[in-house]
Amino acid sequence: DAGVIQSPRHEVTEMGQEVTLRCKPISGHDYLFWYRQTMMRGLELLIYFNNNVPIDDSGMPEDRFSAKMPNASFSTLKIQPSEPRDSAVYFCASSLGRDSNSPLHFGNGTRLTVT
Amino acid sequence: GDSVTQMEGPVTLSEEACLTINCTYTATGYPSLFWYVQYPGEGLQLLLKATKADDKGSNKGFEATYRKETTSFHLEKGSVQVSDSAVYFCALRNQGGKLIFGQGTELSVKP
Repeated sequence: DAGVIQSPRHEVTEMGQEVTLRCKPISGHDYLFWYRQTMMRGLELLIYFNNNVPIDDSGMPEDRFSAKMPNASFSTLKIQPSEPRDSAVYFCASSLGRDSNSPLHFGNGTRLTVT
Repeated sequence: GDSVTQMEGPVTLSEEACLTINCTYTATGYPSLFWYVQYPGEGLQLLLKATKADDKGSNKGFEATYRKETTSFHLEKGSVQVSDSAVYFCALRNQGGKLIFGQGTELSVKP
C-alpha cells in the first residue's frame, strides 16, 4: 500500500495567488481529514469527510479556504487568495470506518510558504 | 468541547533515561486514545492506541494506559534512545469520528 499521498511536498507562492493542495487517501478508506500544523497553533483540524461528504468544516479558518472531495480517491484544499499567515504544513489523513478506534494514516504533508 | 492537554516541551533526556509525557483529556462518551509520533520532516505515525478504560497500548518499548478515573493517557518508556527524538502527540477520537490532538511534546535524547 502506497499510503496517503500528498502533492506538492513544497509550495512557495506570492500573497494573493491561488493555492491548491492535493491528497490521495488509502484505497478503501472512507474518512479523509485535512489538518494544518504551525508552531503557534500546533495541529488544527480544518475539515473532514465521510464517503466524500463534508461532515465538519468548523475548523476552516475563513471563506478563503475551501475543500472538495469529488470522489473516493481524491481531495483538494484550496486557498484563494493566499496570505502570508497561511504559511504552514498541511496534512491529509485517511481512515477506515467511523469506529473510534480506527487510527488515521497521515501523508507526509505539504509545506506552504506564502511570501 | 472535547480536548487534549499534554505537558509542555521540550523534554531533554540522556540516553537510557526514563520517559513520561503526561496527557489528559476531556470528552463526552467513550473516546479512543492514541499516541502519534512525528519525526523531523515527516507526517505523523501511529505509535500506540487504547480503545477502552484500563486498556494498555504498547509499541517499540512505549506504553500508555487508558485511565478513565483520572482522564489520562500518559506515555512512558523505561529507557529512551537517541532515535526516539521526535515530537509526540496525544490524541482522542470521539464517537463522531473526529480526531483531536494535543499540542505536541518535543523529546530530545542526548547520547
